[in-house]
Amino acid sequence: QKEVEQNSGPLSVPEGAIASLNCTYSDRVSQSFFWYRQYSGKSPELIMSIYSNGDKEDGRFTAQLNKASQYVSLLIRDSQPSDSATYLCAVKGRNNRLAFGKGNQVVVIP
Amino acid sequence: NAGVTQTPKFQVLKTGQSMTLQCAQDMNHNSMYWYRQDPGMGLRLIYYSASEGTTDKGEVPNGYNVSRLNKREFSLRLESAAPSQTSVYFCASSGTGGPLPSYNEQFFGPGTRLTVL
Repeated sequence: QKEVEQNSGPLSVPEGAIASLNCTYSDRVSQSFFWYRQYSGKSPELIMSIYSNGDKEDGRFTAQLNKASQYVSLLIRDSQPSDSATYLCAVKGRNNRLAFGKGNQVVVIP
Repeated sequence: NAGVTQTPKFQVLKTGQSMTLQCAQDMNHNSMYWYRQDPGMGLRLIYYSASEGTTDKGEVPNGYNVSRLNKREFSLRLESAAPSQTSVYFCASSGTGGPLPSYNEQFFGPGTRLTVL
């Protein structure tokens, strides 16, 4: 089982809709979870961190963490064309390193 | 603050050539990392340095060496480049593994696009 899995294929959403991204992880003791946004040809940019069960909201972004089910999700409300990017889920393991998922591409259609 | 800087931005090498990728951060972070990113493979950790004076292997260290020159600088060296090392290389830094979870937030440099012919 991979450490961090993002299984969904490219996600196309109409402008103004909600984009929902999911991520599962294998190490039950993981405590820190991150979402990065990566535009094509650019470096990953940290957009959300979450450490406790529940929801964390920052502007149009909401991260949701469920440690019992070992998943973390990212919601993007009122999606804009500028949100078109690849979103990477990252989880801090017991070795203090981040394990990254392969990413989900989001395309916002005007 | 410039954050994390990397040089060069682009590089083309011939098989067998050597080169060093440079990385510097001005955020007073203790930990620094080198990743490579390949299509379909995601980000993979090559080496990291938890603090000045220490380095450890990551997931894919073969063919690479690193030097933590001081707290600010962490370089990655390819001694004899191979086509399999064609990739985008990212340097990142973070605070410490201390009590505040935000210390684990990693910030990335702009990357170096390396092609080995």
